[in-house]
Amino acid sequence: AQSVTQLGSHVSVSEGALVLLRCNYSSSVPPYLFWYVQYPNQGLQLLLKYTSAATLVKGINGFEAEFKKSETSFHLTKPSAHMSDAAEYFCAVSDGSGTYKYIFGTGTRLKVLA
Amino acid sequence: GAGVSQSPSNKVTEKGKDVELRCDPISGHTALYWYRQSLGQGLEFLIYFQGNSAPDKSGLPSDRFSAERTGGSVSTLTIQRTQQEDSAVYLCASSLTGTKNTGELFFGEGSRLTVL
Repeated sequence: AQSVTQLGSHVSVSEGALVLLRCNYSSSVPPYLFWYVQYPNQGLQLLLKYTSAATLVKGINGFEAEFKKSETSFHLTKPSAHMSDAAEYFCAVSDGSGTYKYIFGTGTRLKVLA
Repeated sequence: GAGVSQSPSNKVTEKGKDVELRCDPISGHTALYWYRQSLGQGLEFLIYFQGNSAPDKSGLPSDRFSAERTGGSVSTLTIQRTQQEDSAVYLCASSLTGTKNTGELFFGEGSRLTVL
């Protein structure tokens, strides 16, 4: 069975500081991994995804994530936080079997301090 | 429309009443998902439709919950005899599958259900 663990339900960073949101996964098969962002009162939108190509994945809004098989991790980073990055971030895993049954983490709410 | 459309955006109901939530996916998307997002929780998978195949209902929390998808397009999630613990945001998502699949889910803005 697949699972996703997001460490830290709330993360606060200062504007301009590094953003690091943690995600660890469990999967018996090579996974597809995703980060989604949810702004207030909106649905989720895709930030980036890993589908077994390059291990360092670049997404929208300056975010990137690195797939580390040895650590079963897919942490999300951004070098310099902006106020507009304040949102909730979800990590998700799929086994890529074609059914694309996605398992989501519990989310991390990012707060950016002025 | 261009995106996934859900209605109503907000629904307040009394305990014991039935509610219907509607999802209109992106045209051409064969896969449709319903998720439930409760305060402080992640996204809880409810049900998945793929083309004409039998839906995966493994996430439905009780027999009060049901969903259908007519003509491979619009889906309705029905909750019978609502309980206060059903209060949540119900999210619908759709995606392409098969060779065109990008692996991306496209979400609607959700239907916020409040059971008094």
